[in-house]
Amino acid sequence: ETGVTQTPRHLVMGMTNKKSLKCEQHLGHNAMYWYKQSAKKPLELMFVYSLEERVENNSVPSRFSPECPNSSHLFLHLHTLQPEDSALYLCASSQDRGPGDTQYFGPGTRLTVL
Amino acid sequence: AQSVTQLGSHVSVSEGALVLLRCNYSSSVPPYLFWYVQYPNQGLQLLLKYTSAATLVKGINGFEAEFKKSETSFHLTKPSAHMSDAAEYFCAVTWNSGNTPLVFGKGTRLSVIA
Repeated sequence: ETGVTQTPRHLVMGMTNKKSLKCEQHLGHNAMYWYKQSAKKPLELMFVYSLEERVENNSVPSRFSPECPNSSHLFLHLHTLQPEDSALYLCASSQDRGPGDTQYFGPGTRLTVL
Repeated sequence: AQSVTQLGSHVSVSEGALVLLRCNYSSSVPPYLFWYVQYPNQGLQLLLKYTSAATLVKGINGFEAEFKKSETSFHLTKPSAHMSDAAEYFCAVTWNSGNTPLVFGKGTRLSVIA
């Protein structure tokens, strides 16, 4: 596999469920990101990890919990979500966090909360 | 606050016609500018980026964009549209000021008519 992969591609869950999204990058990058993409809204940055350390959390509700066990893997743990959390969740990675560093995106996980 | 505006949420062109997607940014410091494309059910893919070198930037798939500081613009163009260009296009901006996040526009959906 090359690039950035995400699993699952689609997820339907109830508000009381607990699930996890997985992201893996095969690019040797040092930074990884979670974004939320909702209809009619710009991409929202949720979390940033640099060298496995969380460096940014953009006021995301605690029902979203990220985990970065190593520089290649990133998880987003979900619990007691709300219907408005339904969206496409995108993972991205970049070599470092410099302004010129291109972010490479995975295909996303389409999440539906019932 | 720094921001990016994409004029027109939906643009429709005929196959073979010029494609012009507009992007304006607000910034008090020199920006780094990006155009990404998103095909249905896929993540974002980088088309091109401006990082303070040549103001006319050439990207993949025949696209190019010109950085115009006086107009605070970074419009995306392609001389001749192809059916395969139908997708969502996102302009994004960041700045060399600490670890500034990538700020995305709301996107422009391009339709190509045969």
